[in-house]
Amino acid sequence: AQRVTQPEKLLSVFKGAPVELKCNYSYSGSPELFWYVQYSRQRLQLLLRHISRESIKGFTADLNKGETSFHLKKPFAQEEDSAMYYCASDRGSTLGRLYFGRGTQLTVWP
Amino acid sequence: DVKVTQSSRYLVKRTGEKVFLECVQDMDHENMFWYRQDPGLGLRLIYFSYDVKMKEKGDIPEGYSVSREKKERFSLILESASTNQTSMYLCASSLGTHWDGYTFGSGTRLTVV
Repeated sequence: AQRVTQPEKLLSVFKGAPVELKCNYSYSGSPELFWYVQYSRQRLQLLLRHISRESIKGFTADLNKGETSFHLKKPFAQEEDSAMYYCASDRGSTLGRLYFGRGTQLTVWP
Repeated sequence: DVKVTQSSRYLVKRTGEKVFLECVQDMDHENMFWYRQDPGLGLRLIYFSYDVKMKEKGDIPEGYSVSREKKERFSLILESASTNQTSMYLCASSLGTHWDGYTFGSGTRLTVV
């Protein structure tokens, strides 16, 4: 069973429009959650993590335990945001492994 | 300042060959991981290691083995390469607690013909 679900394989928005990349997890405890991003021809890198409650490159993500969601949001998308985004959860693992969703390819049109 | 280095960016191997993918990290991380990345399937964990000479199976270990003789090096071995192992392979490392997340290598694109 998919432990981390990203329902949208592809997402397209126009520059300046709000964007929301959805992520749902199926673990009932208190997992740590992360968003990773992979720009074209670059390595996968950490975008943000739930525990730090930070905003990176204008993106934020709020953990909603009731809906078991960790959606990634940005109020005004930029062309340079075009990338593959992966949501990941540790599912309470003590061994440091992460479970990744299948990814959402975001395209921001000019 | 590259911190996780995968020895090859592209590899082409023949069916049945034994293939070694090497990964080295210079951050003194305890944990190291091998994933394969396929379109529409995301990242799937093959094996991981949380200490020297320790290894744990991930979700898709069949057809693969690993070696971790030194803390900084984690090798993925395809015992007898098959065409369905054509993929992008990603190595990652993390501290004992994963609060800082993973650091990934740039990946090895393996094609088995």
